[in-house]
Amino acid sequence: DAMVIQNPRYQVTQFGKPVTLSCSQTLNHNVMYWYQQKSSQAPKLLFHYYDKDFNNEADTPDNFQSRRPNTSFCFLDIRSPGLGDAAMYLCATSIPDGSGYTFGSGTRLTVV
Amino acid sequence: AQTVTQSQPEMSVQEAETVTLSCTYDTSESNYYLFWYKQPPSRQMILVIRQEAYKQQNATENRFSVNFQKAAKSFSLKISDSQLGDTAMYFCAFMNTGNQFYFGTGTSLTVIP
Repeated sequence: DAMVIQNPRYQVTQFGKPVTLSCSQTLNHNVMYWYQQKSSQAPKLLFHYYDKDFNNEADTPDNFQSRRPNTSFCFLDIRSPGLGDAAMYLCATSIPDGSGYTFGSGTRLTVV
Repeated sequence: AQTVTQSQPEMSVQEAETVTLSCTYDTSESNYYLFWYKQPPSRQMILVIRQEAYKQQNATENRFSVNFQKAAKSFSLKISDSQLGDTAMYFCAFMNTGNQFYFGTGTSLTVIP
């Protein structure tokens, strides 16, 4: 039973063409996160939502935006993807009880 | 700021043997949580084991156990009876009471048949 679902699993987009990645959860967790992970590196936090409160990391490029229309869904919008944005994008959820994060299986983005 | 250090970028172990992955962290907080996550080649990050800093007893989950040394700020993962399915990237992570997560740089473990 998938609890954090990311679609699509693989996404190919053209250089400069807007792309949206989606994440949904069945856990009713109030915190959702988007991470960027490049090959053989640790995930890098882009931003997170605590309920509807949006928190952007200081070094997240303006090219990256996010929406969370309700508790279950969160979207990552890349307005003008560059070659350097090719990566795995991980969605995660949590509740603030110390139990840790639950990750989705990720979306691998290729920019051509 | 918290930092998490994994000093072993790559490790290998023979099937059925035991391997220990090291992790150290730096924090001024007294209460926090520590985790080991596994990321197999399929890339989904899976929680392996969790430790609460206020608990002295080391966490265990089947073949996985930790050696938590709070004073030394050390949190190593021991995998006993290694299996081929244990081949993965392993991330040590620190979480403070504000729910902020800090990952180490990862250790790539290969189990050799």
